[in-house]
Amino acid sequence: AQSVTQLGSHVSVSEGALVLLRCNYSSSVPPYLFWYVQYPNQGLQLLLKYTTGATLVKGINGFEAEFKKSETSFHLTKPSAHMSDAAEYFCAVSESNTGKLIFGQGTTLQVKP
Amino acid sequence: GAVVSQHPSRVICKSGTSVKIECRSLDFQATTMFWYRQFPKQSLMLMATSNEGSKATYEQGVEKDKFLINHASLTLSTLTVTSAHPEDSSFYICSASPPTSGYSYNEQFFGPGTRLTVL
Repeated sequence: AQSVTQLGSHVSVSEGALVLLRCNYSSSVPPYLFWYVQYPNQGLQLLLKYTTGATLVKGINGFEAEFKKSETSFHLTKPSAHMSDAAEYFCAVSESNTGKLIFGQGTTLQVKP
Repeated sequence: GAVVSQHPSRVICKSGTSVKIECRSLDFQATTMFWYRQFPKQSLMLMATSNEGSKATYEQGVEKDKFLINHASLTLSTLTVTSAHPEDSSFYICSASPPTSGYSYNEQFFGPGTRLTVL
């Protein structure tokens, strides 16, 4: 069965600092991986996804993630945090035979001025 | 493109009443729609998967008689919470997937969510 683990339920960075949100997955087949952002009382917005091809994936708002098969990781990074990046971030893997998304527990990103 | 709406965005009801939440794909046809429930500070929990014209598939532990899902058209799915109780209070989010278009996964586009409060 596929699963996702997000290390760190809460990450705090200063404005302008590097953002690193960790995600590890478990999958017996090549995974499709996603990062979503959720602002308070809103739905989920897709930041980026990995399906096939280039392992470094660039998304919206300056975020990127690198698929590392050997480490079963798909960490999300942004070189310089902005106050508007404060939100909840979810990593997810798509279940290969059903299309269901399996979500990690979520990471709250706090950005301090 | 790929916009999904939900209505209402917020609803307050009395215990014992039923509440219907609509999920619409505005600019694409959704062959599959998903319904999630999210408790405060928690991740999304998949409740059910619905395919247009067929019965919804519920996840283990979700009461199908309490959470009625209808996917009558390719752009509309509804979730009805029957005989709602305070413990049903939650944030309900839907997502919609277009036909796979050559991909072997179904990309999901999420609605803005509906906040249900049962008094």
